[in-house]
Amino acid sequence: AQTVTQSQPEMSVQEAETVTLSCTYDTSESDYYLFWYKQPPSRQMILVIRQEAYKQQNATENRFSVNFQKAAKSFSLKISDSQLGDAAMYFCALMNNNDMRFGAGTRLTVKP
Amino acid sequence: KAGVTQTPRYLIKTRGQQVTLSCSPISGHRSVSWYQQTPGQGLQFLFEHFSETQRNKGNFPGRFSGRQFSNSRSEMNVSTLELGDSALYLCASSLAYSLQETQYFGPGTRLLVL
Repeated sequence: AQTVTQSQPEMSVQEAETVTLSCTYDTSESDYYLFWYKQPPSRQMILVIRQEAYKQQNATENRFSVNFQKAAKSFSLKISDSQLGDAAMYFCALMNNNDMRFGAGTRLTVKP
Repeated sequence: KAGVTQTPRYLIKTRGQQVTLSCSPISGHRSVSWYQQTPGQGLQFLFEHFSETQRNKGNFPGRFSGRQFSNSRSEMNVSTLELGDSALYLCASSLAYSLQETQYFGPGTRLLVL
């Protein structure tokens, strides 16, 4: 069975600072995809960033980047220059063999 | 391009009733997936349809069913509603055959079962 663990239920960051959200996962497959989704109070899930397991290079999308450690099965999200609009629930997700699993989420608060 | 739309946005039902939720994917997307989100269980995958065929199903009872039409619009039906079915139901669409493609989520339907 595939599992995704987000060990930080809540995180807080000062505006303009950097924060890292943790995610670990477990899968027996070698080919899979990892995602970070953001869910603001509007409840709509928004894709933040995606990483293919076969790619060694860490994905980057503007202020968002990941630290993908395949051997350690770790997939952390770094948000640089945090903005008030980054405040949301962040979900880490693992997809493989058409099965998708989500972590429990991390609630990020951004302080002005 | 319009995003994924879901109707209705909010719904109140009583135990034992049935409900049908609708999802219209982004134009050109042929894969539609459904998810249930609750405070206790988090986000869970329900099922996925591609070209009117259900390809994948999560670990949910048979009361949860879905179908997809030729225009890729999808409906989810829950029969004999239980209190525990109260949740936010999200649908997501993607272009390609595989769930590994990027999914775009709708705003969700909030279902309350009394």
